[in-house]
Order: sequence, then structure tokens, then C-alpha cells
Amino acid sequence: KAGVTQTPRYLIKTRGQQVTLSCSPISGHRSVSWYQQTPGQGLQFLFEYFSETQRNKGNFPGRFSGRQFSNSRSEMNVSTLELGDSALYLCASSLDPSGGGNQPQHFGDGTRLSIL
Amino acid sequence: SQQGEEDPQALSIQEGENATMNCSYKTSINNLQWYRQNSGRGLVHLILIRSNEREKHSGRLRVTLDTSKKSSSLLITASRAADTASYFCATGANSKLTFGKGITLSVRP
Repeated sequence: KAGVTQTPRYLIKTRGQQVTLSCSPISGHRSVSWYQQTPGQGLQFLFEYFSETQRNKGNFPGRFSGRQFSNSRSEMNVSTLELGDSALYLCASSLDPSGGGNQPQHFGDGTRLSIL
Repeated sequence: SQQGEEDPQALSIQEGENATMNCSYKTSINNLQWYRQNSGRGLVHLILIRSNEREKHSGRLRVTLDTSKKSSSLLITASRAADTASYFCATGANSKLTFGKGITLSVRP
């Protein structure tokens, strides 16, 4: 079974631009979560989608948004990029129909976003 | 904010030795999970222990959970160089995981 696939692996943008990251979950997984990882703040939850609906959201500004398609693939978008958005963005999928957070999450290798 | 706090922040041991990592958390939990992250890669799920369990084993891994002390420990026995990685504890609730800052484990050959 293929794992979680994130594209692209590396991305360089400049301040003020916007970016879209893509995530393909493990086949059959309908829950997709996004996390931001930085040296200073560690791993922080961005949002989670299940069956095309945002089910939970972390404490990030509205510049961070996401969506999920009917095939469970997900994208996240960051608009008006800031230097502080430089991070590793990780996507994770799981079997979590109840949304209780009681299932292991399977992570992709992330997209390394650098803002110049 | 971080829910889990791992201890120590860094650990260096010789191959073959055991490695013990601790995690404390602040609020009530449904479960606690441990993940490993190799440099430049995503996280790999190691083990999940539910709030009504006290101990769980998986291969060379042993996890304990003490909900009265709000703490968990991860023991890796007979460590190998390939165990060199960062280890994170995470608490799960409402379809999201809250991670600690992680422990960097170095296993010297």
C-alpha cells in the first residue's frame, strides 16, 4: 500500500506570494491533517479534513487554508507569505471516522517551504 | 502550545544500551502516542497507549502511562545505530495530535 505522498518536496517563495501544497493520503483514509514544524515552535496542528469538511482547526491566521477533494486528496494554501512561514509542512492521514484522535496518524515526508 | 514535554531533550548512548525517554502532559487525554522522525523525513508512528492502559510493548519498545502523574515513558531496549532519530510524544483528542518538542536520540556504533 502506498504511503502518504506530499508534493512538492521543496519550495522556495518570496514574501507576499502564495503557495499551494498537495497531499495524497493512504488509500482508504478519509481523515487528512496538516502540521507545521519549525525549530522554534515544534510541531503545530493546522487543520484536519474528513469527507471534504474541515473538522478541526488550529490557531493559525486566516492566511492558512485548506480543502479536501472527494478522493480524499488535500491541499493547503498559504497566502501573503511571511518569513516566519518558512517551515516543514507535514500531512498525515488516518482512519478516524469518529474524530476522537484515537488512531495512529501516517505522515508524509513533508514539503520544505523556504521564504526569501 | 505544547501539550507534551519530553525529557531529556537530548540523549546519547552506545549501541546495545537501553534508552529511556519521558514525556509529561498537562490535560486529560484519550490516548498518548509516540512517534519517531529521522532527519529530513516525516514522522513514523511507533505505539499508541490508551488512557485505560498502563503498559504496552511492541518489539524492542515498551511504553508506560501513568495518568495520575500525567506522564509516559518510552523504553527502547538493545538500541541500534538505526534508532538515531528524534522522538515525540503526542496526545490525541478531537481528531488532532498535540506534540511535545521532541527528544534527540543518538546511538553511537
